[in-house]
Amino acid sequence: GDSVTQMEGPVTLSEEAFLTINCTYTATGYPSLFWYVQYPGEGLQLLLKATKADDKGSNKGFEATYRKETTSFHLEKGSVQVSDSAVYFCALLNTGGFKTIFGAGTRLFVKA
Amino acid sequence: DGGITQSPKYLFRKEGQNVTLSCEQNLNHDAMYWYRQDPGQGLRLIYYSQIVNDFQKGDIAEGYSVSREKKESFPLTVTSAQKNPTAFYLCASSSAGPTDTQYFGPGTRLTVL
Repeated sequence: GDSVTQMEGPVTLSEEAFLTINCTYTATGYPSLFWYVQYPGEGLQLLLKATKADDKGSNKGFEATYRKETTSFHLEKGSVQVSDSAVYFCALLNTGGFKTIFGAGTRLFVKA
Repeated sequence: DGGITQSPKYLFRKEGQNVTLSCEQNLNHDAMYWYRQDPGQGLRLIYYSQIVNDFQKGDIAEGYSVSREKKESFPLTVTSAQKNPTAFYLCASSSAGPTDTQYFGPGTRLTVL
């Protein structure tokens, strides 16, 4: 079945460091790919998404490119801030499906 | 403002008691979902509903029940048959299109005493 694998955390960075959180997926067909973010004690909210190969999703300085050849959707940010500390979830939604498949989440700590 | 509300934010229950978690949305979404979140395990799907009066079991439905009598509402009952109910419960909704984003509520933290 469809699945999402993302790097284990926690990831700890200093402010202004470069961030990469790896995400790979297994799916039949042509899924849409998402990154969601969860701040402490809150629900998830969409960070960015891409719906077809080679699309780049971007928001708030975060970017991720849909790479079909490597089945990846890695999250990057050039300069993290303390306020980016959160848990990040990679997810996929397959064509015709109603069930979004989530990765296990990666916790990010950013130190001042 | 459009969104999803869940209540209560924190809920305590004694072993052997059933408890119902509320989820309401005013986004006019057809699909609604319930997830359970445990530390380090990501989200696991409990139940989902694509339309009113219809719902399907997710990956961990045992010990839970739902109803979908109105488009806006999708309450979750945690029954006494659920062996380990202490968790963070998240409700979500979507337009149920092929590329659609899920919108999440703020969650309910259930603790069994």
